Formats: sequence, C-alpha cells, structure tokens
Amino acid sequence: DTEVTQTPKHLVMGMTNKKSLKCEQHMGHRAMYWYKQKAKKPPELMFVYSYEKLSINESVPSRFSPECPNSSLLNLHLHALQPEDSALYLCASSQDPLAALDEQYFGPGTRLTVT
Amino acid sequence: AQSVAQPEDQVNVAEGNPLTVKCTYSVSGNPYLFWYVQYPNRGLQFLLKYITGDNLVKGSYGFEAEFNKSQTSFHLKKPSALVSDSALYFCAVSAPSNSGYALNFGKGTSLLVTP
Repeated sequence: DTEVTQTPKHLVMGMTNKKSLKCEQHMGHRAMYWYKQKAKKPPELMFVYSYEKLSINESVPSRFSPECPNSSLLNLHLHALQPEDSALYLCASSQDPLAALDEQYFGPGTRLTVT
Repeated sequence: AQSVAQPEDQVNVAEGNPLTVKCTYSVSGNPYLFWYVQYPNRGLQFLLKYITGDNLVKGSYGFEAEFNKSQTSFHLKKPSALVSDSALYFCAVSAPSNSGYALNFGKGTSLLVTP
C-alpha cells in the first residue's frame, strides 16, 4: 500500500469555526509533512514530524495546530482562519526523516475555503 | 542554500513530439534531485530522482531525466509526449533542515500537450 489518504476532500469553514484535517499512511514511514499550496504555485512546507515528534515549524501562525497521534496519523487543527488561508493542504510522508534521498509520497489534498 | 530553478512557466508541445522541462540546481555537496508531477486538483506524484551513478535516470510513465554536473542541470525528458502528460511539473532538491531533510521546490512548469 503506497497510498496517503486525506479527509475531507473539500472543506468550507467560517472564520470562527474549528475544524480538523486528517492524514493517514500505512507504509511504515517515520516522517510526515503538512504543506500549503496556492493555485499554480509550489507547495510551501508548514510542519514536519520526525518519529512522531514535531521537528520543523516553518513560522506557521498559531491558528494552525498540528498533531501526530501515532506513526500512521497526522492531523491539522484549524481555528479562527483568515480568507487568505484558503488553499490546497497536502499531507506527505517519507520513509526516513534522516535520509536525504527518500522521496515523499503525497496525499490528494484537502481543498479548504475560508469564508 | 540548496535550491532549484525552473526557468519556464509553460512549455507547449505537440503530441508525439519529444518534450523537455528544464531545471537547474544550486547545491553545496551532493545533489539529491527529484521530479514530481501534479495533475489538476490532485496531490503531487513522484516521477524520478537522482542520487548518484548514471546521469540518465528513468522514471514513471516513460519519463527520464538527465543529470549534468557541468551545467548544474536536471532536465526532465520524454521521447514522445501524450496529451495526458499535460500537468504541472515540479523539480525539487533535498535540503538539510533542523532534524532531517526537507524538499525545496522550484516554481513549477505547466506542460501543455496539444493533439
């Protein structure tokens, strides 16, 4: 199974809502990532979890809160978002966070719209 | 800093013709280079990577890439383009970070293959 799954596929939320994005992989990968992608732009790294510990936070606002409950699951909790946070949110995983040569496997993404 | 550049925003090719999508890199040390493809409203899919060894790397869907150290390039190629190859292509380099590695992406090149 070389699949990364993400739910939901689409999410519309108001600026006062609280919602969560979910990501799951069963490849035994020990690195998991959240990216934000605007239309026709490259993905921007938000967070990296290495062996279930947060290792990189790319100066992301506190209204985004990541969580890694176990080695297969990754959540992104959203609260008080702004319209400019509307984007495609991608989850990815790779086998070894300490290996430069490992490719990342991406999920299909969650299309988030903040109204 | 490890970075890649994609000089073309868009590449147009007729079906059946060879295609090239350009990427140049700037790295210190050994370069670990990747190509990803993104179809509309989808996540990124890994195509191929260069680690070391043969300068011609073969990947998925008939794509290949040529690593050229003297020109610091890693161009993506395919001998005969298909309409279904139309997508957004990202070159990336693996860069060291606080506790592991992260991908630095180029800005992306949109490939349009016309019938």
